[in-house]
Amino acid sequence: GQQVMQIPQYQHVQEGEDFTTYCNSSTTLSNIQWYKQRPGGHPVFLIQLVKSGEVKKQKRLTFQFGEAKKNSSLHITATQTTDVGTYFCAGRSNDYKLSFGAGTTVTVRA
Amino acid sequence: ETGVTQSPTHLIKTRGQQVTLRCSSQSGHNTVSWYQQALGQGPQFIFQYYREEENGRGNFPPRFSGLQFPNYSSELNVNALELDDSALYLCASSLGSGANVLTFGAGSRLTVL
Repeated sequence: GQQVMQIPQYQHVQEGEDFTTYCNSSTTLSNIQWYKQRPGGHPVFLIQLVKSGEVKKQKRLTFQFGEAKKNSSLHITATQTTDVGTYFCAGRSNDYKLSFGAGTTVTVRA
Repeated sequence: ETGVTQSPTHLIKTRGQQVTLRCSSQSGHNTVSWYQQALGQGPQFIFQYYREEENGRGNFPPRFSGLQFPNYSSELNVNALELDDSALYLCASSLGSGANVLTFGAGSRLTVL
């Protein structure tokens, strides 16, 4: 079945630095979504990418969908303490199921 | 506009017991899906309900069952609880039968002793 993998599992970042988290699928995706889960919270939708090579920005967050629609990345610039949490990608390859990756857990050193 | 609400927030059961978790979908949403999130893992798809029928299921045994009601609220039932069923159970609502953008509830934390 479809598998979605994320790397790295943990990301320790100095406040103000940039970092990137990557998501790879074993199958071609029709779209990919990103969610953020704060410690003790629940996943909250960030963005959806649909088109091959699509790039979307939300303030300091840049999301990209690969040309082959099998991978995606999230790049955060000038990391802040509010960026702490776990970022999940979720890929859709059929009509009803989103497959979530294991997430990248981000901690920030002030 | 109300969000997704789940109950109970926490519960403790023993092996072999049965549990029912409840979810009210966000206003205007007609699809509910359930996910199991073990500690340190991503959410794992259990099943989805659209118009009161199950229209998708993940790799979970039949002792995981559900219902959707005419008002689009939903229940997740788990029979013959096992220790590995300890997890955060997340309900998510969306609009439409496909895996559209999900709005998650705060979850029900189940501990099986």
